[in-house]
Amino acid sequence: VVLTQSPGTLSLSPGERATLSCRTSQSISSSYLAWYQHRPGQAPRLLIYGSSRRATDIPDRFSGSGSGTDFTLTINRVDREDLAVYYCHQYLVSPYSFGQGTKLEI
Amino acid sequence: EVHLAETGGGLIQPGGSLRLSCEVSGFNISDYYMSWVRQTAVKGLEWVSIIYSGGDTFYADSVRGRFTISRDKSKNTLYLQMNWLRAEDMGVYYCARARGGSRFYFDSWGQGTLVTVSS
Repeated sequence: VVLTQSPGTLSLSPGERATLSCRTSQSISSSYLAWYQHRPGQAPRLLIYGSSRRATDIPDRFSGSGSGTDFTLTINRVDREDLAVYYCHQYLVSPYSFGQGTKLEI
Repeated sequence: EVHLAETGGGLIQPGGSLRLSCEVSGFNISDYYMSWVRQTAVKGLEWVSIIYSGGDTFYADSVRGRFTISRDKSKNTLYLQMNWLRAEDMGVYYCARARGGSRFYFDSWGQGTLVTVSS
């Protein structure tokens, strides 16, 4: 399954809303899509799993939605600490695969 | 606190071998599925291998027969033995804890170790 993320780069000001898209080449229902945040120099961090379930300690500014082939990660009131590359990941169809990432610039 | 720390990366010639280690604290690796994920310039993030809590192991097609995942419960450490390395294996290798059963995502990651394959 090929995951296509858009945009490649998103430039926002603090306080704005970020909308990141992930489109899959085949349906993966709503249960098998995750989102990760990868800040420079840090370990990747799980944000969302099961399309919309926030991982432990993830603030409610982060939300996930979607089903089928179209998924969205929304970050409300972006902050400078949100500067990172965001990846989506499908884990329904083997081999499980990742998108190429969206870079969020603040 | 959960912490994963990879070591063992470095510069290796094509055809060579490396063993990566991932020291884990905060949980027992034998109670969880543990995985290796890599990030290469060509393919981006790519799942490499997983070891189930029961010991079953699985590999991506691109590394099967060349890489071996294992663990040492007494050291709470995950390993990845990489043989017959190729240029396309070059990248940052992450260990990660996998959740969700056989359809898994990754809820904890290390910071990665860089593997450079070059003559």
